[in-house]
Amino acid sequence: QSVLTQPPSVSAAPGQKVTISCSGSSSNIGNNYVSWYQQLPGTAPKLLISQNNKRPSGIPDRFSGSKSGTSATLGITGLQTGDEADYYCGTWDSSLSAGVFGGGTKLTVL
Amino acid sequence: EEQLVESGGGLVQPGGSLRLSCAASGFTFRSYWMSWVRQAPGKGLEWVANIKQDGSEKYYVDSVKGRFTISRDNAKKSLYLQMNSLRAEDTAVYYCARDGTPMDFWGQGTLVTVSS
Repeated sequence: QSVLTQPPSVSAAPGQKVTISCSGSSSNIGNNYVSWYQQLPGTAPKLLISQNNKRPSGIPDRFSGSKSGTSATLGITGLQTGDEADYYCGTWDSSLSAGVFGGGTKLTVL
Repeated sequence: EEQLVESGGGLVQPGGSLRLSCAASGFTFRSYWMSWVRQAPGKGLEWVANIKQDGSEKYYVDSVKGRFTISRDNAKKSLYLQMNSLRAEDTAVYYCARDGTPMDFWGQGTLVTVSS
């Protein structure tokens, strides 16, 4: 059971938009920055969004992040087949004094 | 070019020990927190431990406290994870990551298999 809660899977057609939610509590999302990671099949995770809504260099603006209270959301527009991957939210939990991740969401582009 | 290369994984019996290493290059290693994150086969990411730039602060996930020790050698630009009393549930790919809050760069991982 992960500290952060994500839907196990989402799907949408190419060119469409999808959102992935990440729910936590005041000890983690509520008081710390949220990051999002993309893990393509058979590869290491890659940072997609930092500090709730910042895109690292090289990440297209089709990817966006937001945070409200104890929840965060990853948005992906103009879906491409190459976006099929597992997506994870992550943050620090101040009560646990530990890093925490969501359980991951598998994106399928139909 | 930034690079993190993990090594030291392998097959170990339950109760055994293993030491993972992560060699860093292409960035100022001593300026960053560093983390270990693991992923059991077919499962999600699990944060394991992190260490401050000078090694003065270390944090661990509850399931490895007392069994795993994270350390670093800034002169060698290397991160380590000493794993003792290994259990079957420790079987995973172990990634080292540069932890600039967030973890902004990851190695390719090393597989640890705990089995008799």
